[in-house]
Amino acid sequence: AQSVAQPEDQVKVAEGNPLTVKCTYSVSGNPYLFWYVQYPNRGLQFLLKYITGDNLVKGSYGFEAEFNKSQTSFHLKKPSALVSDSALYFCAVRDIRFQKLVFGTGTRLLVSP
Amino acid sequence: GAGVSQSPSNKVTEKGKDVELRCDPISGHTALYWYRQRLGQGLEFLIYFQGNSAPDKSGLPSDRFSAERTGESVSTLTIQRTQQEDSAVYLCASSPEGRTDTQYFGPGTRLTVL
Repeated sequence: AQSVAQPEDQVKVAEGNPLTVKCTYSVSGNPYLFWYVQYPNRGLQFLLKYITGDNLVKGSYGFEAEFNKSQTSFHLKKPSALVSDSALYFCAVRDIRFQKLVFGTGTRLLVSP
Repeated sequence: GAGVSQSPSNKVTEKGKDVELRCDPISGHTALYWYRQRLGQGLEFLIYFQGNSAPDKSGLPSDRFSAERTGESVSTLTIQRTQQEDSAVYLCASSPEGRTDTQYFGPGTRLTVL
């Protein structure tokens, strides 16, 4: 069965500092991995995805994520956080054999001025 | 262009009543998904439609939940005899044919069952 774990309910960083939001996954086959962001009272927005190829994936708003097969991780990163990055971030995985996404429980990112 | 739209944005109902939630996918998107997001939890997959294929209903939590889709357009999620534990945000997403790896989400319907 597919599963995703986001071990941190909340991450706090100061503006200008680097940020990392952690995600680990479990699938029986090759994974498709995704990060989505949810701003207050809005739907989920796609940030980036890993399908194959380079382990470092670049996405929207300056975010990037690194796929690490040996550690089964797909952590979201940004070199310099902005206050406007404060939101709820979801990691998701899809086994290539199936169409549905399995989401983590989400990590709330708080960026202080 | 227009994104995925959902209606109503908020729905308050009494326990035992039936509710219908609507999703209008992005025009031309053949795949449509319903998810449920309970407070403080991740998204739970409910159901997936792809073109004329039989839907994947594996995520529907009980027989009180059902969904229909008219062709490759509007979908309706129906919850019969609502219970308080059905209170959640119901999210719809759609994908273009051949690109089901990326899903575009609507703003959701917040359902509150009193």
